[in-house]
Amino acid sequence: QVQLQESGPGLVKPSETLSLTCTVSGGSIGNHYWSWIRQPPGKGLEWIGYFFDSGRTDYNPSLKSRAAISADTSKNQLSLKLHFVTAADTAIYYCISPSLTWGQGMLVTVSS
Amino acid sequence: EIVLTQSPGTLSLSPGERATLSCRASQSLSRSYLAWHQQKPGQAPRLLIYGASSRAPGIPDTFSGSGSGTDFTLTISRLEPEDFAVYYCHQYDSLPITFGQGTRLEIK
Repeated sequence: QVQLQESGPGLVKPSETLSLTCTVSGGSIGNHYWSWIRQPPGKGLEWIGYFFDSGRTDYNPSLKSRAAISADTSKNQLSLKLHFVTAADTAIYYCISPSLTWGQGMLVTVSS
Repeated sequence: EIVLTQSPGTLSLSPGERATLSCRASQSLSRSYLAWHQQKPGQAPRLLIYGASSRAPGIPDTFSGSGSGTDFTLTISRLEPEDFAVYYCHQYDSLPITFGQGTRLEIK
């Protein structure tokens, strides 16, 4: 069964770029749709965007073009960059597989 | 954007009882790409149901999903203590992908 593990800095300063990596095991990232989802503390779930194996991406319009998702198929990793972050971007960030398997999540706090 | 509205917001029941959770979509899901996820405190969500009615691997048959179009239901036929959690519906039928606000299932 596919397993996903998010990693990256847990603290980012306002106006800087949040960068996370999702490492996939037990499956190939070169198939279908791989998504990033986030959850602010104590709140609900928000779709950020997805990467499709052709290199196509789609994003939540609410993020106003701040997000960028890419993949490194040689490392079987999915990446997320979120630019110009504010405190409102503080959340647990999850990657999710095409079969809707979730990673364990990574808390990212935006604070100076 | 398809808005998913879950009801009730909180459901208080006892172990052994039957739980019925509702998810209503603001537009019809033409492919019934509707999933249900369970989330316990401090944990990542876990997929229960996909395609409106298909159980994910390892999910007990006390969990069932039904519905089509705009109205979907998650039923837990007999509640176990470990079933008390927050449940989210999730549509991946059209972009942007959206989630319901969640139903909290608590012990009465």
